[in-house]
Amino acid sequence: SQQGEEDPQALSIQEGENATMNCSYKTSINNLQWYRQNSGRGLVHLILIRSNEREKHSGRLRVTLDTSKKSSSLLITASRAADTASYFCATDGGGADGLTFGKGTHLIIQP
Amino acid sequence: DGGITQSPKYLFRKEGQNVTLSCEQNLNHDAMYWYRQDPGQGLRLIYYSQIVNDFQKGDIAEGYSVSREKKESFPLTVTSAQKNPTAFYLCASSISRVQETQYFGPGTRLLVL
Repeated sequence: SQQGEEDPQALSIQEGENATMNCSYKTSINNLQWYRQNSGRGLVHLILIRSNEREKHSGRLRVTLDTSKKSSSLLITASRAADTASYFCATDGGGADGLTFGKGTHLIIQP
Repeated sequence: DGGITQSPKYLFRKEGQNVTLSCEQNLNHDAMYWYRQDPGQGLRLIYYSQIVNDFQKGDIAEGYSVSREKKESFPLTVTSAQKNPTAFYLCASSISRVQETQYFGPGTRLLVL
C-alpha cells in the first residue's frame, strides 16, 4: 500500500522561482527519501533524511521532516528547466520490503 | 561502468503469452526489487529479494514470478495470469536491506498486442 502522499499533484512555475513539494505519511518511519523521475526513465535518488533529523541540504535542495505531523517538504531553489520531472517521496518503515512510494508531484519549469 | 541495466526497453506481449524482463546489476548489491508503475501513479512493489536464492512477494505479486539464482540477476516473468500487464516496470537494488537508498534501472515498458 502507498504510504506517502505528495502535494500538489502538479506544479508549474517560472524558471528561477523556488518550488516546494510536500509529502505526508501515516505510520512511523526510519527515514524518508526523495527521488526524481524524468519522463520515461528510472528514478534517481536525491536525498535521505532520517527520523531524528529535521532538515537537510544538498546543493539547491532543502528537505525538512516533521515526525510529529508525519510530513516532509522538498524545496528546490532557483529552479531550472532541467528540474522538470516527477518527484516522489518514499518512506522506509524498517520492514523487509524496503520503501513505500507516493504518487509523485509533477513539476514543470517554464523557461 | 557500474549500474543497473534492464532489457528490453520496450516489450510486446500477445494474449496468453509469458514474457520475461531482464534486470542485471554490477553494483554488488544484495537486495533487488521489482516495481510496477502505471500512468500518473507511484511505484507498487511486485517482488523483492534480500539475498541470492531468496525472494518475497510484494503488494501486487499475483500474475508475476521471479528468480534469484545469481546475485547480479533478478528476472521478472509476467505470466498469462496477469490480465492487465500494460505498465512501466522498474528494477532497483540496494547494498543490503539496511542500506536504504535504492538505485534504479531505466525501466521496461510492456505493451499488450
